[in-house]
Amino acid sequence: DTGVSQNPRHKITKRGQNVTFRCDPISEHNRLYWYRQTLGQGPEFLTYFQNEAQLEKSRLLSDRFSAERPKGSFSTLEIQRTEQGDSAMYLCASSLDRQSQETQYFGPGTRLLVL
Amino acid sequence: GEDVEQSLFLSVREGDSSVINCTYTDSSSTYLYWYKQEPGAGLQLLTYIFSNMDMKQDQRLTVLLNKKDKHLSLRIADTQTGDSAIYFCAESIWGNTGGFKTIFGAGTRLFVKA
Repeated sequence: DTGVSQNPRHKITKRGQNVTFRCDPISEHNRLYWYRQTLGQGPEFLTYFQNEAQLEKSRLLSDRFSAERPKGSFSTLEIQRTEQGDSAMYLCASSLDRQSQETQYFGPGTRLLVL
Repeated sequence: GEDVEQSLFLSVREGDSSVINCTYTDSSSTYLYWYKQEPGAGLQLLTYIFSNMDMKQDQRLTVLLNKKDKHLSLRIADTQTGDSAIYFCAESIWGNTGGFKTIFGAGTRLFVKA
C-alpha cells in the first residue's frame, strides 16, 4: 500500500462551479479526515468519518460543502457554488482506531484555485 | 476553547539545538503531536506524546509536555540543514458528536543556517 492518495492534485475552477475531490485512505484504516489549509496556516479540521458514519463536522463546513464515505473506504468532498475564498489546499488523512494512539497519515492534498 | 499557538519563525545554526514551543488551550487533549511539512510535500508525523506523559525521546527529537501550563515543546538536537521545514504542533480532542478532531497550530518555520 502506498499511503493516502488524493485526486485530483490540482483543480482550477471558475466561481460558482461545483467541484468534487476524492480521497483513498490506507486500505485497512477505518477513520478518515478532511482538512483545509491556506497559505501560512496550519490545517483546519473540516470533518471526520468512522467507517461510513460522519461523526464530526466543523463549523467551517458550510452548507455548500458535503462529504461522503459511502462504503467506508474512499471519500469524496464536494464544494457547490465555489467562491474565491474556497481556494486552499484540501487535505485528507486516515487512521486506524485499533492502534493505541491516533496517528493520522496525510495525503498529498488537492490544491483548489477558484477564479 | 480550541486553540494552538506557536511562534512563527526560528533560525538556528547547523549543529545547534532547536527548540520549538507550542501552547494549547483544551485541557481534554488526548494526544499531542509534532508534524513536519517541507515545501511542496505533505504533512509527516514526527512524534507524538500521550497527555499523561511528561517527556518522550526519539533519536534527535525530545518532546516535553507541561500539562499544568498546557505547554509542549520539541527539541531537535544537532540540527541539520535538512531539518529546515515548517513544524506544526497539534492536539487531538474529542469533538461534540463523539468523534475525534485534531487542532493544528499555524506552524513554526525553522531555518537552519549552514
